[in-house]
Amino acid sequence: QVQLQESGPGLVKPSETLSLSCTVSGGSFSHYYWTWVRQPAGKGLEWIGRIYPSGTTNYNPSLKSRVTVSLDTSENRFSLRLSSVTAADTAVYYCARDQGVSVGGGFDYWGQGALVTVSS
Amino acid sequence: QSVLTQPPSTSGTPGQRVTISCSGSSSNIGSNYVCWYQQVPGTAPKLLIYRNNQRPSGVPDRFSGSKSGTSASLAIGGLRSEDEADYYCAAWDDSLSGYVFGTGTKVTVL
Repeated sequence: QVQLQESGPGLVKPSETLSLSCTVSGGSFSHYYWTWVRQPAGKGLEWIGRIYPSGTTNYNPSLKSRVTVSLDTSENRFSLRLSSVTAADTAVYYCARDQGVSVGGGFDYWGQGALVTVSS
Repeated sequence: QSVLTQPPSTSGTPGQRVTISCSGSSSNIGSNYVCWYQQVPGTAPKLLIYRNNQRPSGVPDRFSGSKSGTSASLAIGGLRSEDEADYYCAAWDDSLSGYVFGTGTKVTVL
């Protein structure tokens, strides 16, 4: 059974960089995209970005200037960095496995989510 | 910021059928697959429908998806109390080169 687990600081100061990791276990890291989604309290889902094991990335245009998604295939882990954060970036951040656009399989496995609060 | 439009809420009594619409455009729903997610408050979203109308293993056949042109729909037949949750549609958007989610619909079982 594929499992994803987010980890990282739960509190980040304004203007600093948010960093989260997602460790994948129980399945192949190859042949899938790995994606980040966030959800502010009481609001809807927002896609942040994704990465393929080849290193190919796609980002939400509204966040592109501040986002970096990277991966460590040796550790079956991928990471999110969001720079220059403000209170508007306070949200639950989810990592998920993405089956890819052509497959159309959606995000079939999700982490439990990590609450990140931006506050001084 | 959501590109896909859903009704904010819908409700029904146990056993009823409810339908949730998802309206998009030619760059997303019109040219790519639609997925649906169910999210019980306080938990991670769960994939409910993929490839417009396919159910992952374990999803009851009470849930069905369809797509026509630039719109998609999720139907829940034989509504049950455990179906009370938020539902989101999603699709890839060719113009944005990224995924877009719907605004979300809260389903209440009366």
